[in-house]
Amino acid sequence: GNSVTQMEGPVTLSEEAFLTINCTYTATGYPSLFWYVQYPGEGLQLLLKATKADDKGSNKGFEATYRKETTSFHLEKGSVQVSDSAVYFCALTSGGYNKLIFGAGTRLAVHP
Amino acid sequence: GAVVSQHPSWVICKSGTSVKIECRSLDFQATTMFWYRQFPKQSLMLMATSNEGSKATYEQGVEKDKFLINHASLTLSTLTVTSAHPEDSSFYICSATAGSEVYFGPGTRLTVL
Repeated sequence: GNSVTQMEGPVTLSEEAFLTINCTYTATGYPSLFWYVQYPGEGLQLLLKATKADDKGSNKGFEATYRKETTSFHLEKGSVQVSDSAVYFCALTSGGYNKLIFGAGTRLAVHP
Repeated sequence: GAVVSQHPSWVICKSGTSVKIECRSLDFQATTMFWYRQFPKQSLMLMATSNEGSKATYEQGVEKDKFLINHASLTLSTLTVTSAHPEDSSFYICSATAGSEVYFGPGTRLTVL
């Protein structure tokens, strides 16, 4: 079945450091891939997405590239801010249906 | 953008009682809504898919008689936790689809004493 595996957290970084959160997936067919962010006390928000191989999703300085050959969708940001502290979820949908399968989530803490 | 609301945002109840959680799409019609639960520091686990006017489809391992879902209109789905027990304490989140986009509600924290 479909599944998402992402690196365990927490990830603790200093402000302006480079961020990578790894995400790999297993899916039948051609999934769409997503990164969602959950800020403290808030609901999930879509951060970025990619719908086909080699697509790059980007938003707010974050980016992720859909790599079919490595079944990965790693999240990166060149310079994190304290305001980026949140939990990040990698997710996929497959089969043209909006049923999201989530990874376990990775908590990011950015310190000044 | 599209907004999904949940009510209540938190609820505390006694063991054995039933709790109803509402999920509304405020400015769009949602043919499909999803219900998730999230345990502390864990991921979201899909519980069921709710289509307007039809019975919900439950994920494996989710008791449909315990978690009653009603999707009576294109803007409202309800989840009722029947005879709640402490192990049902969790964060319940709904999402609603508009075309290919998915929008999440802010979640409802249920605590069963």
